[in-house]
Amino acid sequence: KQEVTQIPAALSVPEGENLVLNCSFTDSAIYNLQWFRQDPGKGLTSLLLIQSSQREQTSGRLNASLDKSSGRSTLYIAASQPGDSATYLCAVYYGGSQGNLIFGKGTKLSVKP
Amino acid sequence: GAVVSQHPSRVICKSGTSVKIECRSLDFQATTMFWYRQFPKQSLMLMATSNEGSKATYEQGVEKDKFLINHASLTLSTLTVTSAHPEDSSFYICSALTATFTSSYNSPLHFGNGTRLTVT
Repeated sequence: KQEVTQIPAALSVPEGENLVLNCSFTDSAIYNLQWFRQDPGKGLTSLLLIQSSQREQTSGRLNASLDKSSGRSTLYIAASQPGDSATYLCAVYYGGSQGNLIFGKGTKLSVKP
Repeated sequence: GAVVSQHPSRVICKSGTSVKIECRSLDFQATTMFWYRQFPKQSLMLMATSNEGSKATYEQGVEKDKFLINHASLTLSTLTVTSAHPEDSSFYICSALTATFTSSYNSPLHFGNGTRLTVT
């Protein structure tokens, strides 16, 4: 069964700290992996998409890495800000329907001022 | 950027009634849209794929007669929860596809803000 696990489930850090969110997946035959941000009661905003042939992607203070062979991805957030507080979701695409992503349960991040 | 509008954002209905949720692509045409459901503290899960002008494709375990999907135009898909029960209470989110994963380095999926359904 294809499963995506995110650890930790919740994280609280002081402003300015660098942090890492973890995502692991059971089946390494992925097409790509995405990191999303979800604000309370809101939809998803795509942060980074890593294709299976890539090792990492960067956008501003965010860096996502992918290690297919070990079934892991990390999202690194540099110099965290209170505005980064949200739930971060990892989602893996294995092919087929373009919307058929396998989502983790998310990591709820709280950045304290 | 591609904007997807979902309405209503929140709805409370009585058990046995039907509820319609709309998903619109505001500045692009979406031949394919997707409907997801997210129970509290659970993962987001795909319910169905909505294709303009044809029948929706439902994921295993999703009752097509209970969750009616209509994609009558290139900018609108609707999800109707028929004869709603308290166990249908959930967060429903739609997304629209603007490209394919194999040709993109940015996500081709654009999500609405979701609908919180509470059935009493």
